[in-house]
Formats: sequence, structure tokens, C-alpha cells
Amino acid sequence: NAGVTQTPKFQVLKTGQSMTLQCAQDMNHNSMYWYRQDPGMGLRLIYYSASEGTTDKGEVPNGYNVSRLNKREFSLRLESAAPSQTSVYFCASRSGTMSSYEQYFGPGTRLTVT
Amino acid sequence: GENVEQHPSTLSVQEGDSAVIKCTYSDSASNYFPWYKQELGKRPQLIIDIRSNVGEKKDQRIAVTLNKTAKHFSLHITETQPEDSAVYFCAAMPWGSNYKLTFGKGTLLTVNP
Repeated sequence: NAGVTQTPKFQVLKTGQSMTLQCAQDMNHNSMYWYRQDPGMGLRLIYYSASEGTTDKGEVPNGYNVSRLNKREFSLRLESAAPSQTSVYFCASRSGTMSSYEQYFGPGTRLTVT
Repeated sequence: GENVEQHPSTLSVQEGDSAVIKCTYSDSASNYFPWYKQELGKRPQLIIDIRSNVGEKKDQRIAVTLNKTAKHFSLHITETQPEDSAVYFCAAMPWGSNYKLTFGKGTLLTVNP
């Protein structure tokens, strides 16, 4: 049981390049989330998917798109990377039942945009 | 939307002392308050949480208290150990927010041996 996994672990992009961050969970969770973490800023929600087939914007969605490929996988795409998107990106999942609130985080992807 | 303020941003204690981290929230509809611990280079991990129908919850050396009237909650760590050194994040989840968490900016706790 791997929990939440993310690929890649590290990535360096040039301004204007595109890439997709991958996230998968094997806990049969319904809800999945993408956060970014910047020094002194805590964790900020980019996009989330409450259930398979649905996605919605979080606090900082500009410059990103997401795809909930199936129940297991939730990807985050940067179409034209900017230096302001240099950050650590965390994916998280939650079971999705009404009584279960805990979010489980992946190991993170450290992205640098030059 | 919800706004969570966390203090202090850094905290240094001697091993064996207690540490207290405080958070305030703005949305009175918030009903779930987790605390996450993040070691350097690692993922955030839940260490304790509390729901709005409870005033205090304890798990060994860790406790969380909630004051709904004042809209603040606190993390208490007793008998601190060097392995408690990490960044701690509080968060709040408003009812009806589709289970979205709003995080505080974090507290770097250093426990000196």
C-alpha cells in the first residue's frame, strides 16, 4: 500500500515550457487535491477534485489546469511555466465519506522555473 | 473565504519544556481543525485534529484546545524532544466548503538538546 505517490520528485523548467505533474493514490479515495508550498506561505490549494469526474478551483488556480483521469489519478499541468511557479507541489487525497476529513499527502514535487 | 492566522512563526524551546502554537480563524462555520507536522524535506503528516463539538483532545504528549467563541485553537506539546523539531501547520475547514482546508503559514519549532 504505497498511499499517495507523485512523479517526478524534482524538475527544472525554462520559462514558457510545459509539464504535467502526476499524482496517484491506492487508498480508493474519492477526493484529491493539489497544493503549492512556498516559504513562509503555508500550503495553498490550487485545484481539487471532490469525486471522479469533477474538478474545481482552489485559492490559486491561475496558470494551472488539472485532469482527474480516473479515481486513482489526478494530474496538474503547467501550460507555460513562469518563475512565479517555482514551488514545492503536494498532492493529497481524502476518502470522501462525510465523516472522514483527514487528508493524506504525497511526497511532493520540487519544481524550479528559470 | 476562510483566513487562518498562526503564531508564532518560529519557536525555540529547551528539551523537556512545553511548546504552544496558536491559530485563529475567521469563518464561524469552520468545524474541523487539524494540525500537521512537516519535517525538513518531507510531506505534511496529520498529528492531531479536533472537531467543533469538542473542546479539547489529547494524544500522549500532544493536545489541542478549541475555543469556538473566540475562534481560536492551540497545539500543546509537553516534554518536548529533539525529534519534535519540525514545521507545524494548523488548518481550518468551513462547513459547506466541500471539505477544503485553509492552512496557516506554519511555525518552525526547534527543540534544543
